[in-house]
Amino acid sequence: DTEVTQTPKHLVMGMTNKKSLKCEQHMGHRAMYWYKQKAKKPPELMFVYSYEKLSINESVPSRFSPECPNSSLLNLHLHALQPEDSALYLCASSQLGEAFFSLGYTFGSGTRLTVV
Amino acid sequence: TQLLEQSPQFLSIQEGENLTVYCNSSSVFSSLQWYRQEPGEGPVLLVTVVTGGEVKKLKRLTFQFGDARKDSSLHITAAQPGDTGLYLCAGASSRAGGTSYGKLTFGQGTILTVHP
Repeated sequence: DTEVTQTPKHLVMGMTNKKSLKCEQHMGHRAMYWYKQKAKKPPELMFVYSYEKLSINESVPSRFSPECPNSSLLNLHLHALQPEDSALYLCASSQLGEAFFSLGYTFGSGTRLTVV
Repeated sequence: TQLLEQSPQFLSIQEGENLTVYCNSSSVFSSLQWYRQEPGEGPVLLVTVVTGGEVKKLKRLTFQFGDARKDSSLHITAAQPGDTGLYLCAGASSRAGGTSYGKLTFGQGTILTVHP
């Protein structure tokens, strides 16, 4: 299995809703990432998990809450979002250490989130 | 802060033409990765270059890493409509003290449109 699977593919939520995005990989990658991407722009890093521990939070608002239940799963919990949070949310995974430099990221297809 | 300047931002060409995308930085990277992204999908890794001066070919695509490992280029020969997409360069750096994850610095992307 060489894929990162994200669900759901599309999500529409109100500003008072609570929802979760899910990401799964079975490649044995020990680093997992959440990125946010606006149309025609590069991905922006939100969170990094390595060995299931949060390594980086890029000053993301607390209405986004990541969780890494095990080495294969990554969740992003959403609460009280704003319309400007509408974007494509990408999950990625990678090897750690030297292997990362030659193998790069494997991205999922993303969740298209619309906040109304 | 490491920055990657990618140019051009937009490229609209006819089928059969050649093109080059550039990625430049004042920082040294351990590797430079190129991704291609189609609308509604996540980026897909095309190639990584690790050694200064390295040249890699992938069918009609030629990737080069500068001698000083600060810049890279992507050249496409005889472009086809299927090459249309967002091309992203991304630099990966080693961190003193031993990073446990792979943080990428993305360029701003090049939106390529190849007309039949």
